[in-house]
Formats: sequence, C-alpha cells, structure tokens
Amino acid sequence: GAVVSQHPSRVICKSGTSVKIECRSLDFQATTMFWYRQFPKQSLMLMATSNEGSKATYEQGVEKDKFLINHASLTLSTLTVTSAHPEDSSFYICSARETGTIQYFGAGTRLSVL
Amino acid sequence: GENVEQHPSTLSVQEGDSAVIKCTYSDSASNYFPWYKQELGKRPQLIIDIRSNVGEKKDQRIAVTLNKTAKHFSLHITETQPEDSAVYFCAASKTDKLIFGTGTRLQVFP
Repeated sequence: GAVVSQHPSRVICKSGTSVKIECRSLDFQATTMFWYRQFPKQSLMLMATSNEGSKATYEQGVEKDKFLINHASLTLSTLTVTSAHPEDSSFYICSARETGTIQYFGAGTRLSVL
Repeated sequence: GENVEQHPSTLSVQEGDSAVIKCTYSDSASNYFPWYKQELGKRPQLIIDIRSNVGEKKDQRIAVTLNKTAKHFSLHITETQPEDSAVYFCAASKTDKLIFGTGTRLQVFP
C-alpha cells in the first residue's frame, strides 16, 4: 500500500520554541494531506486539511497562527507548532490522500514541551 | 457537522470468540465508512471500508455492515486472535474529511 513518512517521531523542546513536523508521501502524489491531534487514549481530532499550493483549511477552534501548515509540493506537507507550550504536548499524526477517499497515515510525532 | 459515536469503549474477548464494534453517525449525506486499527504508539492502519451503496463487505475474518436507514455501521471480527488486540476506530466521511469515532480498545485473551 501507499507509504506516508512522518518526521520526527519524537521531539522534546523547551517552552517558547517552534517545532516543525514533516509529512511525506513516498510513493504517490498526495493531492490532500490532513493533520490530526491525538490525546492519550482518545480519538483523532482533525486539525486542518492541506491542499498543495493553497492555504490550509483549519477546523473550528484550531489557531492557524499557532499551527502553521505548508503544503509546498504534492509529496510534502509541514506542520509548525509555533511558540510551543506544555499544553501543546500531544501526538500529532498526518495522513495523505491521492485521488480516492482512502487516507494513509504517518507514524505520528510525539511532542513533549517542557 | 458530522458526529460519530462508537461503542463499546473497551471490549475483552477470549481467543477464538467474535468481537463486534458499533458506530452511529449523524449526517445522512456521509457515504464512506472506513475502519482503522491502531496499535499502541503506532499509525492507524486501514483494515476495511464500506461505501454507502453497499450493505456488507467481508475480508477474511473481518466484515463490516452498514444500515443507512438507521445510520449505523458495525465491525465484526471472527475467530479473534491475540494479535487483533488494538484500538479500533470507525470513521464517516461525505467529502474528504474523516470524522472519527472515540475508539474501542479490544483485548483478546489467549
């Protein structure tokens, strides 16, 4: 099946720093990528939808200035958590979709903000 | 918007027994219903999906049923094995966005 690579898998940072997470589709061109946040033992909450070459669409309650999304090419989307604080600590997962409806997920990034 | 409810939140079964997880959705326009399996700290993996023009789909030990009138769909796992232990998420979609259920932690005891 399609492979989605996400890096880094884990990041620990100090409060106030920014963290960039990359999501790449390795063997297909992703017309759309999605960013989710998952708290421990909870479901995946969609944060934003990212289309190549256009601005991301954020879900209600998600701060676009806090979570910057860039979808520079058909194989790469990045999520930057700006001025991270402890409450931003979470598991962030991306997914990518080619032309159909199936979403393929990355392995996730565990962010810990001290 | 769409709301997906999933039950039960935890499910324990003996190896070889069947497991059933149920989801209901609110938006009658939803037309795509995937099921994902997520092991601890790992990525969600698609295990089966169904579209609204089909009532049932089966893949070996896994089957999904859809009742559009009642707006609910279910995952059935037969002859469960310890490696089936994981968290299972249902989801519903009418566009490109997936709205996930709250998840079911399945434990299969040998």
